[in-house]
Amino acid sequence: DTEVTQTPKHLVMGMTNKKSLKCEQHMGHRAMYWYKQKAKKPPELMFVYSYEKLSINESVPSRFSPECPNSSLLNLHLHALQPEDSALYLCASSQDGPAGGESEAFFGQGTRLTVV
Amino acid sequence: GQQVMQIPQYQHVQEGEDFTTYCNSSTTLSNIQWYKQRPGGHPVFLIQLVKSGEVKKQKRLTFQFGEAKKNSSLHITATQTTDVGTYFCASTASGTYKYIFGTGTRLKVLA
Repeated sequence: DTEVTQTPKHLVMGMTNKKSLKCEQHMGHRAMYWYKQKAKKPPELMFVYSYEKLSINESVPSRFSPECPNSSLLNLHLHALQPEDSALYLCASSQDGPAGGESEAFFGQGTRLTVV
Repeated sequence: GQQVMQIPQYQHVQEGEDFTTYCNSSTTLSNIQWYKQRPGGHPVFLIQLVKSGEVKKQKRLTFQFGEAKKNSSLHITATQTTDVGTYFCASTASGTYKYIFGTGTRLKVLA
């Protein structure tokens, strides 16, 4: 199984809603990532979890809250988002290495989020 | 911080023509990875280069890592309509899991 599964595929939410994005992998990868991608732009790193601990937070606003319940799951909790947060949210995972990112990242199909 | 630029931003080619995208960094890279993202899809890993001057081939695709490890290129010979998409280079800041993506080159192939 070389898949990263993300749910839901599409999400429309109001600015006062609370929702969660989910990501799952069963490849035994110990590094998991959240990326945000706007149209015609590269993926932008948000968070990195390594061995279920948050290791990188790229100064993401607190209305985005990541959670790693176990080594296979990664969530992104959303609260009080703004319309400019509408984007494709990608989850990825990779093998760990002695120095960090030394192997390919496997991406999920993403959640297309629209904030109204 | 680490920045990776790609040129060109867009390229339209006739089917059968060759295509090259270039990735340039302001700092020395520990590695370079290439990903392809089809329209409406997600990034899919193509290859990783680690050694200075390394060249790798995958069928019609040739990947090169510069001698100074500050640039890389992806060359596609005789493009096909299935090559359509955006090609990103990416690299990790040394000793971290911080994958940083280049700006991307969007390829359109006209049949």
